[in-house]
Amino acid sequence: GNSVTQMEGPVTLSEEAFLTINCTYTATGYPSLFWYVQYPGEGLQLLLKATKADDKGSNKGFEATYRKETTSFHLEKGSVQVSDSAVYFCALSDNVNKFYFGSGTKLNVKP
Amino acid sequence: GAVVSQHPSWVICKSGTSVKIECRSLDFQATTMFWYRQFPKQSLMLMATSNEGSKATYEQGVEKDKFLINHASLTLSTLTVTSAHPEDSSFYICSAQGLAASYNEQFFGPGTRLTVL
Repeated sequence: GNSVTQMEGPVTLSEEAFLTINCTYTATGYPSLFWYVQYPGEGLQLLLKATKADDKGSNKGFEATYRKETTSFHLEKGSVQVSDSAVYFCALSDNVNKFYFGSGTKLNVKP
Repeated sequence: GAVVSQHPSWVICKSGTSVKIECRSLDFQATTMFWYRQFPKQSLMLMATSNEGSKATYEQGVEKDKFLINHASLTLSTLTVTSAHPEDSSFYICSAQGLAASYNEQFFGPGTRLTVL
């Protein structure tokens, strides 16, 4: 079956630190992979996506590469800001348009 | 970008009562809406998929008589939790997919927190 596993939080970093949030998946077929971000009191927003192996999604300084050989889609950012504090969800979508989400990782960035 | 709203944002009700949650696409027409449930520190779990004008498709293990879904228009879907019990307390999130969106892009609402006493 399809599933997503991401690292548990919370992750606490100082401003300008390097961020990695690990995400691995299990899927039948060839899924699309996503990172969503949820700011306090708001809905989930698409941060970036990749639709095939070796694709790199990027947005707002965040990036993630679809690695089929390691079934991973780790989220990275070179220098985090306080405004990046949020909950981050890794997700996959199969060919029938169903989404499977990870449990979310809360990121706290301190000034 | 596309905006999806939910109402109410939170609700507290007594056990045995029914609660209706609305999901609206504000600036686009949504042919398909999805309802998710999220327990604390857990994943969003898809409950059902609703297409405008047709019956919802429920995921395995979701009671269709308990969680009534109606998608009467291209901008509104409702989830009614009937005869709610404390175990139904959860965070409910909807998402909507528009006519012009790629098949795998969904826009999410802010969620509704339901507490059943």
